[in-house]
Amino acid sequence: GESVGLHLPTLSVQEGDNSIINCAYSNSASDYFIWYKQESGKGPQFIIDIRSNMDKRQGQRVTVLLNKTVKHLSLQIAATQPGDSAVYFCAENIRGFQKLVFGTGTRLLVSP
Amino acid sequence: GAGVSQSPSNKVTEKGKDVELRCDPISGHTALYWYRQRLGQGLEFLIYFQGNSAPDKSGLPSDRFSAERTGESVSTLTIQRTQQEDSAVYLCASSLGVPGGSAGELFFGEGSRLTVL
Repeated sequence: GESVGLHLPTLSVQEGDNSIINCAYSNSASDYFIWYKQESGKGPQFIIDIRSNMDKRQGQRVTVLLNKTVKHLSLQIAATQPGDSAVYFCAENIRGFQKLVFGTGTRLLVSP
Repeated sequence: GAGVSQSPSNKVTEKGKDVELRCDPISGHTALYWYRQRLGQGLEFLIYFQGNSAPDKSGLPSDRFSAERTGESVSTLTIQRTQQEDSAVYLCASSLGVPGGSAGELFFGEGSRLTVL
């Protein structure tokens, strides 16, 4: 079936640390993956995406890694800041289906 | 407006009443999505519009849920005879293209929080 799950429901880090948020997906037909950030009371906001023909993509302070062998996705945030505190969702698009399937989310708490 | 706009932002209703939730997508975005987010959970897909047609309604939980879109713009999600388990935030998103394709990024509104007493 279609499912995207996360290993860690809550991640607490100190300001300046690097954060790693993990996600497992189950559908081998998924060909596009996205990380979203959701702050309290707001809608999800796009962070970074990656296609299945890549295994790494970097943005500003963020890196997404994709391991198709074990169906694993991770988001790395460098030098985490208090403003990074939010819930992070991974989402997948299954080839041929025009919708995103979202995971449960991981709450990132950054202490100053 | 510049972003996706949803109304009402908060709605409290009594069990059994009907509710309508509205979404104004970004101008020119042909694709529109409705998702439901229960407290502390991820987003559940409800329905997808391409223009005014809905090629994927597979996420609508029951026949009490319906949605329409007119003029390739505004969409309304209607929940009839609301139940307590319908309490959630209903999120709308729009995009120029399809996920994974060119201009396929989904832009979300801030959601309509529905509480059924």
